[in-house]
Amino acid sequence: SQKIEQNSEALNIQEGKTATLTCNYTNYSPAYLQWYRQDPGRGPVFLLLIRENEKEKRKERLKVTFDTTLKQSLFHITASQPADSATYLCALRALTFGQGTILTVHP
Amino acid sequence: DAGITQSPRHKVTETGTPVTLRCHQTENHRYMYWYRQDPGHGLRLIHYSYGVKDTDKGEVSDGYSVSRSKTEDFLLTLESATSSQTSVYFCAISESTTITDTQYFGPGTRLTVL
Repeated sequence: SQKIEQNSEALNIQEGKTATLTCNYTNYSPAYLQWYRQDPGRGPVFLLLIRENEKEKRKERLKVTFDTTLKQSLFHITASQPADSATYLCALRALTFGQGTILTVHP
Repeated sequence: DAGITQSPRHKVTETGTPVTLRCHQTENHRYMYWYRQDPGHGLRLIHYSYGVKDTDKGEVSDGYSVSRSKTEDFLLTLESATSSQTSVYFCAISESTTITDTQYFGPGTRLTVL
């Protein structure tokens, strides 16, 4: 079965730096991959979707890349702010979710 | 939360009792999903529905049943709750005619089985 792994349980960075989160998957390449943000006590919120034929997708300070050779997606937050602190989840075709990476941005 | 409500938001129950969680949407989306979220496991799909009376199992469906008699409501039932079903349960909806579209999540129900 398809598996997805986010290889950092927690990431701590300083305000203003770029946060980079990793999502790896096994087996076949999905048609697309999604990234969600989850704040404590709330449900996940959709951020970005990247298709297998797209190398990169941007939305404001967010950037997602998709490397089907490495079977990996990278999620970047540039000029990070304390308000970016949250858990970030990647999802394969919106049904299989990674465990999430807890991002903490320190002032 | 995209017109999705879950009830109750918190529930404490005892082992062996039946429990029903409700998800209600006002978006008229075709697809509805139930997930559970546990530390170390992330979000795992329990059941999903692709229309009224049309449901299918997810990754962790054992011990759970669902029903959808109206487009707007999707019920999750634990026939006889066990302590291993202590979790946070999220309902989600999606609009697409495939099951591979962006999902919108409800606020969650925290269930504790003693």
